Amino acid sequence: DSGVTQTPKHLITATGQRVTLRCSPRSGDLSVYWYQQSLDQGLQFLIHYYNGEERAKGNILERFSAQQFPDLHSELNLSSLELGDSALYFCASSAGISYEQYFGPGTRLTVT
Amino acid sequence: AQTVTQSQPEMSVQEAETVTLSCTYDTSESDYYLFWYKQPPSRQMILVIRQEAYKQQNATENRFSVNFQKAAKSFSLKISDSQLGDAAMYFCAYKVGQGAQKLVFGQGTRLTINP
Repeated sequence: DSGVTQTPKHLITATGQRVTLRCSPRSGDLSVYWYQQSLDQGLQFLIHYYNGEERAKGNILERFSAQQFPDLHSELNLSSLELGDSALYFCASSAGISYEQYFGPGTRLTVT
Repeated sequence: AQTVTQSQPEMSVQEAETVTLSCTYDTSESDYYLFWYKQPPSRQMILVIRQEAYKQQNATENRFSVNFQKAAKSFSLKISDSQLGDAAMYFCAYKVGQGAQKLVFGQGTRLTINP
């Protein structure tokens, strides 16, 4: 158990819908990262938040957005969903000055 | 841009034997970190081992060790005394030392352990 929690574990929804994925980092970790794992793209970095502020963006679509709240949990919002958005979405966390990222169990999103 | 390449999509090894997984990377940075993550069928990403680029000594964690060749930009993972529980996808990952904290992953190597 990494100490990072993600909800829900599985999500099945239809094209055009909007979903929210939630992540709680390890206790004391200020950084939260979101990654997408798909069969064709592999593991791709989406976005990084540090203590509530966006620090870096990767290959994140405009239909996707994220935020980190004062209690340090983070949410990833995916809208206007397409079949190609079906993937495993991971959240990871790290302490402010640490370089190790610990991953949550992931949320499996299926868009039908 | 930094890239990570794992040239072995699949590997297999007999239980109790030793296996080496290959990884090469491309970067112009001098300060960076390298990692191996394991992803078993549960899909959980588990950190196996890390290596700081400034350290010449190869990292070791129990049965797992790395061969870090900085000049060749090579970072292989050796698993000794392979166990059935080692069966998983293994991902090599890179992170620059300063600035962007994102991990850049290779495509992974699927390791099968034969009893």
